Amino acid sequence: GEDVEQSLFLSVREGDSSVINCTYTDSSSTYLYWYKQEPGAGLQLLTYIFSNMDMKQDQRLTVLLNKKDKHLSLRIADTQTGDSAIYFCAEAEQAGTALIFGKGTTLSVSS
Amino acid sequence: GAVVSQHPSWVICKSGTSVKIECRSLDFQATTMFWYRQFPKQSLMLMATSNEGSKATYEQGVEKDKFLINHASLTLSTLTVTSAHPEDSSFYICSATGTWDIQYFGAGTRLSVL
Repeated sequence: GEDVEQSLFLSVREGDSSVINCTYTDSSSTYLYWYKQEPGAGLQLLTYIFSNMDMKQDQRLTVLLNKKDKHLSLRIADTQTGDSAIYFCAEAEQAGTALIFGKGTTLSVSS
Repeated sequence: GAVVSQHPSWVICKSGTSVKIECRSLDFQATTMFWYRQFPKQSLMLMATSNEGSKATYEQGVEKDKFLINHASLTLSTLTVTSAHPEDSSFYICSATGTWDIQYFGAGTRLSVL
């Protein structure tokens, strides 16, 4: 079945860039997402990318997609303490279908 | 736009009682909503797909008689945990599909069964 893998932890200093990596197995994944979850809260959509794109930038966030390697990354520039949270990578094969999530990467930002 | 409201945010109930959780899309219509369950420090696992006007589709291993889902309108889906037991304690999150088929999530409901 489909699988999404992420590293579990990342620790950075405030002001540095953070890069969270994700790999997926389903080559027919069409939609790839990054969600942020703060303690005790729901999921906040950060950004998404379609499979026909290689890169998407939105303010401090840059998403890179390597379809050949089935690798997705999220770069957060100028990381702030408020960025500390769990980041989930998720994929969907078709529009409007349920998402398959990775286990989440806990980002810890120290000042 | 694309706000999903989930209520209640936290509920404590006695073992054997039923609990209803509501998921509303506030500013868009959603023919499809999804219910996920999240255990502490784990990922989200899909429980069921809720379709407006038809029966929900449950994932393998999810008891449909225990987790009743009703999607009575284009903006509301409900999940009722019937005869709740301590092992049902978890974080339940709904999502609704909005513009461009992007999924937007509610804030989640923390269920504690005593």
